Amino acid sequence: AQRVTQPEKLLSVFKGAPVELKCNYSYSGSPELFWYVQYSRQRLQLLLRHISRESIKGFTADLNKGETSFHLKKPFAQEEDSAMYYCALSAASGSRLTFGEGTQLTVNP
Amino acid sequence: EADIYQTPRYLVIGTGKKITLECSQTMGHDKMYWYQQDPGMELHLIHYSYGVNSTEKGDLSSESTVSRIRTEHFPLTLESARPSHTSQYLCASSEPGPSYNEQFFGPGTRLTVL
Repeated sequence: AQRVTQPEKLLSVFKGAPVELKCNYSYSGSPELFWYVQYSRQRLQLLLRHISRESIKGFTADLNKGETSFHLKKPFAQEEDSAMYYCALSAASGSRLTFGEGTQLTVNP
Repeated sequence: EADIYQTPRYLVIGTGKKITLECSQTMGHDKMYWYQQDPGMELHLIHYSYGVNSTEKGDLSSESTVSRIRTEHFPLTLESARPSHTSQYLCASSEPGPSYNEQFFGPGTRLTVL
């Protein structure tokens, strides 16, 4: 069975500070990992996926198979980054997603 | 415009009532999903469908039922609502085949059962 764990329910940083949202997973095969984001009063939406290895809104995430982690990082947080972030795993391309518990990020001015 | 719609957005109802939460998408997607989301907690997949006449139960046991008679429509029904059903319900859809599994979410229905 696959599982996604986000150890921090709440994370608060100041504007301009680096931020890292942690995500660990358990799955015996080769997973696909995603980060979804939900801004206040907006829909849940895809932020980035590991397979595309891209930076979105200054965020990056690297899949570390040895540590089974997919942490989300941004060197300089902005107030508009305040949102709920969910890490998600897909066991195989096109299959169902398993979501983590979510981390509420607050960036203070 | 291609989108995914959910109605109603908010529903307050008494115990024992039958309710149907509507979800429709104009994105041409084959796969559709229902999630239950409690405040500050993870999303739990309760139902999914990979096409017309195909429905499966998700990871979280739910007393709700779904149907998929048309590709664009995936309603969720509770025969007898209870306070434990109070939650946010999110509908999503995704493309078929070996895509990167991006799911597109609707705005959600916030259900309160008194």
